Amino acid sequence: ETGVTQTPRHLVMGMTNKKSLKCEQHLGHNAMYWYKQSAKKPLELMFVYSLEERVENNSVPSRFSPECPNSSHLFLHLHTLQPEDSALYLCASSQETPYGGERNEQFFGPGTRLTVL
Amino acid sequence: QQPVQSPQAVILREGEDAVINCSSSKALYSVHWYRQKHGEAPVFLMILLKGGEQKGHDKISASFNEKKQQSSLYLTASQLSYSGTYFCGTEIVGSNYGQNFVFGPGTRLSVLP
Repeated sequence: ETGVTQTPRHLVMGMTNKKSLKCEQHLGHNAMYWYKQSAKKPLELMFVYSLEERVENNSVPSRFSPECPNSSHLFLHLHTLQPEDSALYLCASSQETPYGGERNEQFFGPGTRLTVL
Repeated sequence: QQPVQSPQAVILREGEDAVINCSSSKALYSVHWYRQKHGEAPVFLMILLKGGEQKGHDKISASFNEKKQQSSLYLTASQLSYSGTYFCGTEIVGSNYGQNFVFGPGTRLSVLP
């Protein structure tokens, strides 16, 4: 595998289900991101992990819970979602300079198309 | 704090030129450009940094006016492969690292034969 991979590619779940999205990067990067992309809104940054520590939570509802066990893996745990959460969820990674500095290019995975019934 | 992109959509014939603009109401560290083809992930094109440095593909041309908080992406002699949605991402001065990167709504570009 190369680049950034995401599983599953498609997911249909009910509002009471619990599921998880997985992202893996094979680029040796130290930062990983979750984005939400829906028809109504542009790419929305949800969470950022840099050096395995969360540095961003953009007022995302608590029904979304990220987990970053190491620099190569990122999860998004989902529970009691709403139909408006249906969207494409994209994972990205980048190599960032510790202690700040400008952001570098992000490499995106193919996304998970989530449908909440 | 989301940047504004213009135009929202543009249709070109092969070989024609286009300019896509991105502007912010906030002071910017950098502007990033990505292209997303239908059904695919966004792909990095270029980063323009405060101070004039650029990182990206040699075939892509762009400018960054720091004083006006504006950036423009220049697509010359367009090819069919240029079709897609172009997003600018802006890194805002004064916000912490985790909260300062915001994408624009995108510009949909269609290149026709």
